[in-house]
Amino acid sequence: QKEVEQDPGPLSVPEGAIVSLNCTYSNSAFQYFMWYRQYSRKGPELLMYTYSSGNKEDGRFTAQVDKSSKYISLFIRDSQPSDSATYLCAMSLRDDKIIFGKGTRLHILP
Amino acid sequence: KAGVTQTPRYLIKTRGQQVTLSCSPISGHRSVSWYQQTPGQGLQFLFEYFSETQRNKGNFPGRFSGRQFSNSRSEMNVSTLELGDSALYLCASSFEGGPSTDTQYFGPGTRLTVL
Repeated sequence: QKEVEQDPGPLSVPEGAIVSLNCTYSNSAFQYFMWYRQYSRKGPELLMYTYSSGNKEDGRFTAQVDKSSKYISLFIRDSQPSDSATYLCAMSLRDDKIIFGKGTRLHILP
Repeated sequence: KAGVTQTPRYLIKTRGQQVTLSCSPISGHRSVSWYQQTPGQGLQFLFEYFSETQRNKGNFPGRFSGRQFSNSRSEMNVSTLELGDSALYLCASSFEGGPSTDTQYFGPGTRLTVL
């Protein structure tokens, strides 16, 4: 079983829709949870960062962590064509290497 | 503030050769991490350097090595290249490293093709 599982997509949704991206993980000791966005021919950029369980909101983006289910989600409200990218979940222990999911390709259709 | 820069951006090598990739972190950042990204395996951690010392290492063979200089610039070396080493190699810098304290900023990557 891989440490972090993420559906590669592609996921296509119409502009304005709510997007839900998810990851599951196997290591219950993970404490730090992140979502990165990667545009084509660019390096990943950090979108959201959460410590332990709970929700975090930043503009149109909401990150959720459910440690009991070992499941994390990223929601994008009012999706825009500029949100089209690959979204990578990532997680780690304190001061340890970051483990990434393989990424979900998202297409927002105008 | 200038971002993370990586050189070269593209590289073509043949099997058996060796290659050196370079990363210049954001000014003031002391931690540099290297990652390999492939369609099959995704983004995988290679190693992290902090103040010229390797602080963390991923599960890659000894053909992959790195170093960091006193100005925090880092190089990564791959010896005896194999076809499977074809990938995007990404460098990320942060002030002190570790997700508990810091945001990592990624460079655009070096696309290595091994023929």
